[in-house]
Amino acid sequence: AQSVTQLDSQVPVFEEAPVELRCNYSSSVSVYLFWYVQYPNQGLQLLLKYLSGSTLVESINGFEAEFNKSQTSFHLRKPSVHISDTAEYFCAVSAGNRDDKIIFGKGTRLHILP
Amino acid sequence: DAGVIQSPRHEVTEMGQEVTLRCKPISGHNSLFWYRQTMMRGLELLIYFNNNVPIDDSGMPEDRFSAKMPNASFSTLKIQPSEPRDSAVYFCASSPGSSSGANVLTFGAGSRLTVL
Repeated sequence: AQSVTQLDSQVPVFEEAPVELRCNYSSSVSVYLFWYVQYPNQGLQLLLKYLSGSTLVESINGFEAEFNKSQTSFHLRKPSVHISDTAEYFCAVSAGNRDDKIIFGKGTRLHILP
Repeated sequence: DAGVIQSPRHEVTEMGQEVTLRCKPISGHNSLFWYRQTMMRGLELLIYFNNNVPIDDSGMPEDRFSAKMPNASFSTLKIQPSEPRDSAVYFCASSPGSSSGANVLTFGAGSRLTVL
């Protein structure tokens, strides 16, 4: 069975500073990995995904994540955050063997400080 | 497409009452998921359907919870009787299904349930 650990429940960071949100997973099979973002009072939206191929994946709003199989990690990074990035970020995993089940981490709340 | 539609958006009820949450997935999506979100537990998968068939309901907390998907365009999550600890935001999500690649979920806006 898959599981996801997001070690940081909250991350405060100053505007225009870099940020890294950590995600580790466990799985006995190959995996697909996702980051979803939840803005206040909204549902979750897909931010980016790793399915196969290049281990570095990017989103349209400047976030990127790198799949590291040896460290079973999929950390999310952004070189310079904006106030509009204030949200909760969820890492998720599903098995790469066409299993539909998707398991989410507990989320990391990103606080942007002025 | 209007996306995943959930109703009601907010529900306040008293302990012991029956609660029914509704979901209309995106047309053409084959998989439907129900999640519950609380501060303490985060986002928990309750149950998911593939082609209207329940595949995994191991996350359903108790017999008080039941979910149905009578057709491809409608699903319900029912709690009977409701208890204060059921207070949470319940999300429905749909996806094209893993047969077309990895599941990418589209979430509804959620139903916020408060049980007094």
